[in-house]
Amino acid sequence: KAGVTQTPRYLIKTRGQQVTLSCSPISGHRSVSWYQQTPGQGLQFLFEYFSETQRNKGNFPGRFSGRQFSNSRSEMNVSTLELGDSALYLCASSLVTGEDQPQHFGDGTRLSIL
Amino acid sequence: GENVEQHPSTLSVQEGDSAVIKCTYSDSASNYFPWYKQELGKRPQLIIDIRSNVGEKKDQRIAVTLNKTAKHFSLHITETQPEDSAVYFCALTGGSNYKLTFGKGTLLTVNP
Repeated sequence: KAGVTQTPRYLIKTRGQQVTLSCSPISGHRSVSWYQQTPGQGLQFLFEYFSETQRNKGNFPGRFSGRQFSNSRSEMNVSTLELGDSALYLCASSLVTGEDQPQHFGDGTRLSIL
Repeated sequence: GENVEQHPSTLSVQEGDSAVIKCTYSDSASNYFPWYKQELGKRPQLIIDIRSNVGEKKDQRIAVTLNKTAKHFSLHITETQPEDSAVYFCALTGGSNYKLTFGKGTLLTVNP
């Protein structure tokens, strides 16, 4: 069974631009969560989607948004990029939503802002 | 909200020795505690998890213990091997929020 697939793997943008990242969950998984990983802040939760609905949201500004499609694939969008948005963005999928559902991560998209 | 303290931040052991990483938390509603291993440039990989109704779980050389009263849980790796070298993250979820809250990570180095 294929794992979580994230595209693109690497992305370079400049301040003020916007970016869209994509995540395809493990086949059969319906919940998708997004995390930001930086050396300073570690792994931080962005949001979770299940059945095309945002179920949980972390403490990030409104510039960070996402959506989920009927096939469970998810996209994350960041608008008006800032230098501090440079990070590894990780997507994780689980079978269903729930507090004890094992989450499996993709390889991430490394976003660099110039 | 949840807060997770992870110690130590770095750990160096000789091959064959045991390694122990400990995490403490504050929210008594937390009830799911996974551990992830992240090698350099790779994805976090779920290696073991434990639920609040269980005190200990073992999988070959890896074990996790949970003390809900004291609000701490630990990862134990026995007979360490060089390929165990990686950053290990503890995490938890609980209450009505299904997000994973992570510790800051422990860089484990196993010296041959």
